[in-house]
Amino acid sequence: DQQVKQNSPSLSVQEGRISILNCDYTNSMFDYFLWYKKYPAEGPTFLISISSIKDKNEDGRFTVFLNKSAKHLSLHIVPSQPGDSAVYFCAASSRGSQGNLIFGKGTKLSVKP
Amino acid sequence: EAEVAQSPRYKITEKSQAVAFWCDPISGHATLYWYRQILGQGPELLVQFQDESVVDDSQLPKDRFSAERLKGVDSTLKIQPAELGDSAMYLCASSGRTSGMKDEQFFGPGTRLTVL
Repeated sequence: DQQVKQNSPSLSVQEGRISILNCDYTNSMFDYFLWYKKYPAEGPTFLISISSIKDKNEDGRFTVFLNKSAKHLSLHIVPSQPGDSAVYFCAASSRGSQGNLIFGKGTKLSVKP
Repeated sequence: EAEVAQSPRYKITEKSQAVAFWCDPISGHATLYWYRQILGQGPELLVQFQDESVVDDSQLPKDRFSAERLKGVDSTLKIQPAELGDSAMYLCASSGRTSGMKDEQFFGPGTRLTVL
């Protein structure tokens, strides 16, 4: 049973437009959420995180929104650039855990020039 | 910039053979993780170390997998014997988190294992 779900395997966006990647979770004990970006043949790279005490965190072109009541988070990339083309993983960890991350299956983002 | 180092980057082996992967975390990071990522899936935790101690190996198939971090720095993950279903990317990550604190994990480039 997947605790972190990324229901869109892929997303295609035009350069300069907004990319919105979605993530749903089922475990109400999750209190820390992260987004990672992964290029082929490389390990995941940390992008941005959010604690459950917040509903928004922004870092440059990247913003993560958290809706705890809906158990939903999203990553917004504005404006999207071709270099953003990668697989994006949503991950979560729970209070009281050892920091173990539960990952979604990923969404492949393609930004077309 | 400090990075997590892993070797080898690629490994091809035949089933029933033994394989070993090595990881050197970012200097000073006490926590080290080994993940397995099957194609089309997200990474799944195999084992977590805090310094030299295992704090979570509940998802490690202990009949064939073993992991150690003897001096609390670098770590080795071993599979013996390898099976066809072990073909995957093996990722090592480290973090500087201490108990009760949240911190992002930094990943190495991974080892791509192919079992024939």
